[in-house]
Amino acid sequence: QKEVEQDPGPLSVPEGAIVSLNCTYSNSAFQYFMWYRQYSRKGPELLMYTYSSGNKEDGRFTAQVDKSSKYISLFIRDSQPSDSATYLCAMTYSGGGADGLTFGKGTHLIIQP
Amino acid sequence: TAGITQAPTSQILAAGRSMTLRCTQDMRHNAMYWYRQDLGLGLRLIHYSNTAGTTGKGEVPDGYSVSRANTDDFPLTLASAVPSQTSVYFCASSDRPNNSPLHFGNGTRLTVT
Repeated sequence: QKEVEQDPGPLSVPEGAIVSLNCTYSNSAFQYFMWYRQYSRKGPELLMYTYSSGNKEDGRFTAQVDKSSKYISLFIRDSQPSDSATYLCAMTYSGGGADGLTFGKGTHLIIQP
Repeated sequence: TAGITQAPTSQILAAGRSMTLRCTQDMRHNAMYWYRQDLGLGLRLIHYSNTAGTTGKGEVPDGYSVSRANTDDFPLTLASAVPSQTSVYFCASSDRPNNSPLHFGNGTRLTVT
């Protein structure tokens, strides 16, 4: 089973707010977790790539993985209008190969100026 | 700038006609992929190639074919287009088939009439 659940939104927040984006999954074999950002009429671009549980921070972005709960999050601090995009989570497992990468359907985020 | 180039950017195609979507990468990545993205369905894997000379079927391969004659190019062919193949098609690549994050092109928007 490879199901990944992600709320499609839209999620609308005021500029400067902290944004929390989440995915849940059912396959306990997943070990590698990614977040992609996709602007309108563009391809997804990699934001964060983490392995196993814990937190990873990169500037205003923090990725959090809780394997015991099968739950991952992306936090955006001091959100900007330029953060408005669709955010997709993705995950895979060691030896998973190309068809082992499972994407969520994406959350549409709107940052209001 | 290194990356993935897809062509054409958009295309309107009559049903029953054939078409090849082109994808070229200059990162010398081993693995390449074709996805289609549809509203409400997210990204779905069509075909993949773990290395030059090999290809595999993804989640939705019917009506599509691919070839991988060399490392850099991974064309996707629709032999006889149908309206349900109206979608945005993304080509992606990764350094290794397992675990590596994907790098995406900016897509081809295809409308089959």
